[in-house]
Amino acid sequence: GDSVTQTEGLVTLTEGLPVMLNCTYQTIYSNPFLFWYVHYLNESPRLLLKSSTDNKRTEHQGFHATLHKSSSSFHLQKSSAQLSDSALYYCALTLYGGSGNKLIFGTGTLLSVKP
Amino acid sequence: EAAVTQSPRNKVTVTGGNVTLSCRQTNSHNYMYWYRQDTGHGLRLIHYSYGAGNLQIGDVPDGYKATRTTQEDFFLLLELASPSQTSLYFCASSELQGAAAEQFFGPGTRLTVL
Repeated sequence: GDSVTQTEGLVTLTEGLPVMLNCTYQTIYSNPFLFWYVHYLNESPRLLLKSSTDNKRTEHQGFHATLHKSSSSFHLQKSSAQLSDSALYYCALTLYGGSGNKLIFGTGTLLSVKP
Repeated sequence: EAAVTQSPRNKVTVTGGNVTLSCRQTNSHNYMYWYRQDTGHGLRLIHYSYGAGNLQIGDVPDGYKATRTTQEDFFLLLELASPSQTSLYFCASSELQGAAAEQFFGPGTRLTVL
């Protein structure tokens, strides 16, 4: 079935270093939408960015990701980590014309940025 | 921005107890969802709904019932709570926009089953 894989449960970085959180997905559908949601402690999860266009970079709040259908990947990147980036990050998949608005989430990656 | 509220914010019950979690959204969204969040499992969909009176089964429905009484209100029911249902529960809503629709989440309810 459809699935999303986030291989890192915890990523610990020093402030100022680049961030890369991995996300791969599996689906039989050719038009998936991929999302990154961010969950800060004591807040509600919220959308960070989304894409359905192959090989096009999408950016928001200093983060960027590119959907690569050839490798079924949608990795989240940032050039320089900040302390305020510490949060739980979820990659998610939905299917155009498939399950409608149902999201399939990965298991999440906890990003911890240290001074 | 969509407003999604949940009550209670914290709940402690005993094994076998009866619990109802409430969710209300005030932006007239058609879709509403219940998730549970657990370390190592992420967000998992319990039930969701297309509109008042509609209910769809999610990915981890066992032990849960849900009811969508109005477009605004979506309830999650645990009729015989078990310790395995100790979790952080989130409600979310979205407009009918197809696959690209953003989901807006509530603040969460932390449930502890002793």
